[in-house]
Amino acid sequence: GAVVSQHPSRVICKSGTSVKIECRSLDFQATTMFWYRQFPKKSLMLMATSNEGSKATYEQGVEKDKFLINHASLTLSTLTVTSAHPEDSSFYICSARPLDGDLAKNIQYFGAGTRLSVL
Amino acid sequence: QKEVEQNSGPLSVPEGAIASLNCTYSDRGSQSFFWYRQYSGKSPELIMSIYSNGDKEDGRFTAQLNKASQYVSLLIRDSQPSDSATYLCAVFPRLSGNTPLVFGKGTRLSVIA
Repeated sequence: GAVVSQHPSRVICKSGTSVKIECRSLDFQATTMFWYRQFPKKSLMLMATSNEGSKATYEQGVEKDKFLINHASLTLSTLTVTSAHPEDSSFYICSARPLDGDLAKNIQYFGAGTRLSVL
Repeated sequence: QKEVEQNSGPLSVPEGAIASLNCTYSDRGSQSFFWYRQYSGKSPELIMSIYSNGDKEDGRFTAQLNKASQYVSLLIRDSQPSDSATYLCAVFPRLSGNTPLVFGKGTRLSVIA
């Protein structure tokens, strides 16, 4: 099956620091990756759609200068939370859609998520 | 606005019973339909995909699709306590390959031993 690797799984940082989260598709290529945030007992919230080689498309209300997304290759996208504050503490999850082949048909596979705690 | 509606639950069923989860969607042109399972504190995991009208079975899971009624369901036979989780219905709208899935808010299932 398709595997999406996300690192780190958990990070604790001080307020004002930046945190980078990596998302890799291990056995398939993904032109499109998605970043979600989820607060406890709440629904998934789409933050942005990341396309390889182009700028990410952010959802309304998501600050693009605070949540920097880079999708430099067909297997790697990164999310950097800049100048993190306690209200940024959340569960961040990436998702990747296979480029083509039998794995396609619009499926999204999810990484294991990153739990960010900002002190 | 593309929408996917699910009953939030909780849906409680006894161990061994059939759990029935339902979902409706607003975009009649939607092409692909998925069920994800999300355990508390974990990320969503794909358990079923369905693309054409009718039933699709995989082990204890059966997905049912009725495009005319814009309705998707998931049946879990012989429910186990380990099936207790939130089940997310997701729909791919008829737009482009970059379009994200539209998720429902999920139905929380509790299987009572």
